[in-house]
Amino acid sequence: SQQGEEDPQALSIQEGENATMNCSYKTSINNLQWYRQNSGRGLVHLILIRSNEREKHSGRLRVTLDTSKKSSSLLITASRAADTASYFCATEDTGFQKLVFGTGTRLLVSP
Amino acid sequence: GAVVSQHPSRVICKSGTSVKIECRSLDFQATTMFWYRQFPKQSLMLMATSNEGSKATYEQGVEKDKFLINHASLTLSTLTVTSAHPEDSSFYICSASVEGETQYFGPGTRLLVL
Repeated sequence: SQQGEEDPQALSIQEGENATMNCSYKTSINNLQWYRQNSGRGLVHLILIRSNEREKHSGRLRVTLDTSKKSSSLLITASRAADTASYFCATEDTGFQKLVFGTGTRLLVSP
Repeated sequence: GAVVSQHPSRVICKSGTSVKIECRSLDFQATTMFWYRQFPKQSLMLMATSNEGSKATYEQGVEKDKFLINHASLTLSTLTVTSAHPEDSSFYICSASVEGETQYFGPGTRLLVL
C-alpha cells in the first residue's frame, strides 16, 4: 500500500510556539499512530487514535482524526528544544496489523 | 513498558559478506515481529512480517532469498542480509507486538557495506 503524505516536510519554530503537522492517507484504517524519531535512533510511540475517535490528548500532544477526509493532525503545544525530531504518522489498515508510515515531518525547535 | 532491543547497533562489512541482525523482545513474548528499512531522511518501509514458528511474509519488491528472516522463538527474530552490497546500506529497524496490540520498536541497526 502507498505511504501516507505528511506536511510540512520540515518545520522550524521557536521554543514556546506550537507545532502542527498533518498526515493524509488513502485507505480504510483501524487506527492511526504518531511516532517520534530522533536522528539515527529508533521510534518512540507517541499516541494512537482509533478510527472511531476524533480527538485525543496526551500531555502537550493533541491529535485529531477526520476519517471522511482521511487526514490527521498532530499538535505539539508550548514546544521545547527537546521536541526537535522527525515525526511520522502510521496507519494500521483495516484487516491488517502492519503499519504504513507517512513521509515524516522534520521539526526543529530553536531555543 | 515493553522493550525491544537490537544487536548490533552498528555494523560495517565488506561487499559480498552476510550480516545477521538480532531483534529481541526483552520483557514480553511477541507473537509477531516486523522488519523495516529506512534510507537517510526517508520514511520506514516494511520489509517483512514474521510470526513465531512460521515463514515470514515479505512485502512486494523485497527479495526473500537476500533478506532471510528467522523467528525461532517468541522473543527473538533475526534478519540476515546475504551477500551484502553497498546498496543494502541502510538503517534496519525491527518491531515486536502481541497480536492486535501496539508495535514496540527497537533502536535500529545501521548497516554500512563497503
